Amino acid sequence: AQTVTQSQPEMSVQEAETVTLSCTYDTSESDYYLFWYKQPPSRQMILVIRQEAYKQQNATENRFSVNFQKAAKSFSLKISDSQLGDAAMYFCAYLNSGGGADGLTFGKGTHLIIQP
Amino acid sequence: NAGVMQNPRHLVRRRGQEARLRCSPMKGHSHVYWYRQLPEEGLKFMVYLQKENIIDESGMPKERFSAEFPKEGPSILRIQQVVRGDSAAYFCASSPFDGGEQYFGPGTRLTVT
Repeated sequence: AQTVTQSQPEMSVQEAETVTLSCTYDTSESDYYLFWYKQPPSRQMILVIRQEAYKQQNATENRFSVNFQKAAKSFSLKISDSQLGDAAMYFCAYLNSGGGADGLTFGKGTHLIIQP
Repeated sequence: NAGVMQNPRHLVRRRGQEARLRCSPMKGHSHVYWYRQLPEEGLKFMVYLQKENIIDESGMPKERFSAEFPKEGPSILRIQQVVRGDSAAYFCASSPFDGGEQYFGPGTRLTVT
């Protein structure tokens, strides 16, 4: 079974600064997907960014980018120019590429606080 | 294009009652997943369904919980004889194909008194 670990229960960053959230995972598969989801106080789960394991290039979405280190099984999220609206719980998630069986495996989350 | 819809958003049940949670996937999506989120935890996979088929229910408790996704209508997660430990947020997600990106609904918060 796969596991996802987020070692930072809480992170705090000044508005406009850059912050990096850590995620490590464990799997015996060679092909899979990794995701970062954001959960604001509304509790809606919002997809932030997605990475295919077979792609060496790190995914980017505007101010959000990842550092994907396949050999180290590490998948960190970098948020540049932090904004107040970025304050939320952030969850790292893993999905086998062979299909949706097992669903997404989530980490326990990192609570991101943005200081004005 | 409407997103994933869940209802009710909040549900209060007394111990021993039944809870029915509904999920309508995004238009064109035929794959539905149910997850449970306990306080201060990440989401935990429960069950994966396609139309009229349960594909994987490895995350669902063996007793009192059942799920269906009929040919017509929403997917239903049913919890019989609820207990206090069932209090949680239940999320549904849908995707257009097996292994595709999952889009989440707003969740149903179940409180058992």
